[in-house]
Amino acid sequence: GQNIDQPTEMTATEGAIVQINCTYQTSGFNGLFWYQQHAGEAPTFLSYNVLDGLEEKGRFSSFLSRSKGYSYLLLKELQMKDSASYLCAGFTGGSYIPTFGRGTSLIVHP
Amino acid sequence: DAGVTQSPTHLIKTRGQQVTLRCSPISGHKSVSWYQQVLGQGPQFIFQYYEKEERGRGNFPDRFSARQFPNYSSELNVNALLLGDSALYLCASSPGTSGGNTQYFGPGTRLTVL
Repeated sequence: GQNIDQPTEMTATEGAIVQINCTYQTSGFNGLFWYQQHAGEAPTFLSYNVLDGLEEKGRFSSFLSRSKGYSYLLLKELQMKDSASYLCAGFTGGSYIPTFGRGTSLIVHP
Repeated sequence: DAGVTQSPTHLIKTRGQQVTLRCSPISGHKSVSWYQQVLGQGPQFIFQYYEKEERGRGNFPDRFSARQFPNYSSELNVNALLLGDSALYLCASSPGTSGGNTQYFGPGTRLTVL
């Protein structure tokens, strides 16, 4: 399986931009997901990256560097409702079962 | 279209009891995966089923078992419950098992073991 590492907690101000980083083992890497999870709710899909580069979806963008084993989720124009846990999940080799990181708890304050 | 559904929403059991959790995937999805999520952690993989066959098993004891039915719904069974089994149990469905298949999660079952 994968070894996913992401910060435990981040804080940011409403209207600002925040970048949540995720590192993973590059050996046999196949793809990386980002999910958003509000407290007490199920994770919801944000993005999937398998190739290098930046993918943008509205206020959210996700970046991947396969050679560096590095990804980030970029959230722009932060809103209070963006306060949630952001989960990075990757998979390797012949297994398409994602391994999740512990999640980054993002707190957006006024 | 309806999303992934799970039942029950909440469950309280005592140590040593057995529990069965149920999941119905998104229509057309043939793969179901089960995860355990304890507070402050990411989901931990338990099982994956595809076309009624087990395709993957996580590092969980034999007290955990699952099955998938012809209509692709699934059950997760946990025997001899321990306090440490208290967690949110998530079911996720996807069209298949290949890499590009995004997993869509159900609302989860909150299990409390007393």
